[in-house]
Amino acid sequence: EAQVTQNPRYLITVTGKKLTVTCSQNMNHEYMSWYRQDPGLGLRQIYYSMNVEVTDKGDVPEGYKVSRKEKRNFPLILESPSPNQTSLYFCASSSQKNQPQHFGDGTRLSIL
Amino acid sequence: AQSVSQHNHHVILSEAASLELGCNYSYGGTVNLFWYVQYPGQHLQLLLKYFSGDPLVKGIKGFEAEFIKSKFSFNLRKPSVQWSDTAEYFCAVNAPGKSGRRALTFGSGTRLQVQP
Repeated sequence: EAQVTQNPRYLITVTGKKLTVTCSQNMNHEYMSWYRQDPGLGLRQIYYSMNVEVTDKGDVPEGYKVSRKEKRNFPLILESPSPNQTSLYFCASSSQKNQPQHFGDGTRLSIL
Repeated sequence: AQSVSQHNHHVILSEAASLELGCNYSYGGTVNLFWYVQYPGQHLQLLLKYFSGDPLVKGIKGFEAEFIKSKFSFNLRKPSVQWSDTAEYFCAVNAPGKSGRRALTFGSGTRLQVQP
């Protein structure tokens, strides 16, 4: 079954404690992306990757890092999380940048 | 930079009523347009897309959308809604973003509540 898998689904942590949200897709997609969803703001793109070792900033990259060492994986790293990063995060992938994206189930992060 | 506006934030309808959700975007060049739906507690799923050709696009579950280039609009419609259509709906546009590179920009979403 084609899917995008994110882990963890829920996480409560404290300010400053580094965390990583993993994302994996099994569709051999080249394009992967991270979004955060906040009430009234829709989805905003954090980072995206066109292919292995090719990543670029989206609209709200501050406080986040990503890496793309393998085609299937695109982890999101918060080196020093802060409360304003409390949000619902979605990973997505598509065969190309302008094609419809497949979304993961989301990760709800709470930073205290 | 691209912007996408969904003016209806919360819509409440009775079953069998007709639906139209507005979506306007700002970029004047070539765009790819999408509508996604997010059912409660779930991830986003594609409803329909427009790349080129017939401006009236049919999607899944009886939804359709019309691309009107002169109005920079891509409104979503359904002739008769069902209780199961209760969800949040997002319009998205692929066009040059803040960086100048093409990116997918989402509207803020419209929460649809269908009452039985």
